Amino acid sequence: KAGVTQTPRYLIKTRGQQVTLSCSPISGHRSVSWYQQTPGQGLQFLFEYFSETQRNKGNFPGRFSGRQFSNSRSEMNVSTLELGDSALYLCASSLSAGGPADTQYFGPGTRLTVL
Amino acid sequence: GQNIDQPTEMTATEGAIVQINCTYQTSGFNGLFWYQQHAGEAPTFLSYNVLDGLEEKGRFSSFLSRSKGYSYLLLKELQMKDSASYLCAVTGANNLFFGTGTRLTVIP
Repeated sequence: KAGVTQTPRYLIKTRGQQVTLSCSPISGHRSVSWYQQTPGQGLQFLFEYFSETQRNKGNFPGRFSGRQFSNSRSEMNVSTLELGDSALYLCASSLSAGGPADTQYFGPGTRLTVL
Repeated sequence: GQNIDQPTEMTATEGAIVQINCTYQTSGFNGLFWYQQHAGEAPTFLSYNVLDGLEEKGRFSSFLSRSKGYSYLLLKELQMKDSASYLCAVTGANNLFFGTGTRLTVIP
């Protein structure tokens, strides 16, 4: 069974631009969560989608948004990029509707650099 | 709010045993995860504890005390490939919260 895939793997943008990252979960997984990982802050939860609905949301500004499609694939968008948005963005999928207690399987991440 | 504490770095010798501690404060606790993350790679699932006690899985064991807000990950017969960051994560308030991780270096 294929794992979680994320595209692109690397991205360089400039301040003020916007970016869209994509995540395809493991086949059969319906929950997709997004995390931001930086050296100082560790892994921070952005949001979780289940059945095309945002079920949970972390403490990030409204510039960070996401959506999930009927095939469970998910995208996240960051508008008006800031230097501090440079990070590894990780997507994780889980099997069912159990929320955060379900084991999450992570994709390889998208390394975003904002110049 | 949520607060998770882990040591930042640890060093241990190949073949030895190492214990990585995690203390937490969270509302709505459901369970605690341990993940392993090698440099430049995604985190991979190691264990999940929801009840008090020790869960053993091969060379890795994880312990949870809900009343003390405390967990540890025990790695036995350390191998060089165990050099990685170990992330403690707790469920609370319908979210999953990660600690900043413990970077373990295994030396010969």
